[in-house]
Amino acid sequence: AQTVTQSQPEMSVQEAETVTLSCTYDTSESDYYLFWYKQPPSRQMILVIRQEAYKQQNATENRFSVNFQKAAKSFSLKISDSQLGDAAMYFCARNLRVTSGTYKYIFGTGTRLKV
Amino acid sequence: DADVTQTPRNRITKTGKRIMLECSQTKGHDRMYWYRQDPGLGLRLIYYSFDVKDINKGEISDGYSVSRQAQAKFSLSLESAIPNQTALYFCATSDPGTSGRRGQETQYFGPGTRLLVL
Repeated sequence: AQTVTQSQPEMSVQEAETVTLSCTYDTSESDYYLFWYKQPPSRQMILVIRQEAYKQQNATENRFSVNFQKAAKSFSLKISDSQLGDAAMYFCARNLRVTSGTYKYIFGTGTRLKV
Repeated sequence: DADVTQTPRNRITKTGKRIMLECSQTKGHDRMYWYRQDPGLGLRLIYYSFDVKDINKGEISDGYSVSRQAQAKFSLSLESAIPNQTALYFCATSDPGTSGRRGQETQYFGPGTRLLVL
């Protein structure tokens, strides 16, 4: 099954501390993309970071970085120097090929982060 | 102005009523999606459309229908609403871009429609 699993329904972090949100996924493909989206109380879905599976280097966007372990099919999000504005629901997602050149997206169940 | 808009933002309806949720985008993207979000279940794909003539069922299409009226418009209908369709509904768009790397496209989401079926 092509699934995305977020095993932590809720996490808490103190301001200025670091927190890591976990995500694992299933895939039979070798080339795919992984995403982390943030949903604040406004309920708007906002892209946080994106990782290309064929790249070894972990993606980084300011205070947000990922730990991508392709063999383990793991894609965790690290938030450094946590701020009050980081409090939100975080969703992990991956793309799934429908046809050559077209994709749909599979989302995890989300992790609520409290700061 | 928002690139992806959804109307209405909130809606209360009764069991058995037909309702339509509308999505419009100014991003010029061909690909559009409808999701529903339920607590503890994340986002689940209802329907998706890769262009005006291409519409596909997602994971949970039963009880829903869609219409792609134009590149910029993608509507979701509940023919006969039932209480377990109470949820937050999102429209999203994406574009493959020109970089040549397939599957990389970011999805851009609308603000969501909160639907309550009584």
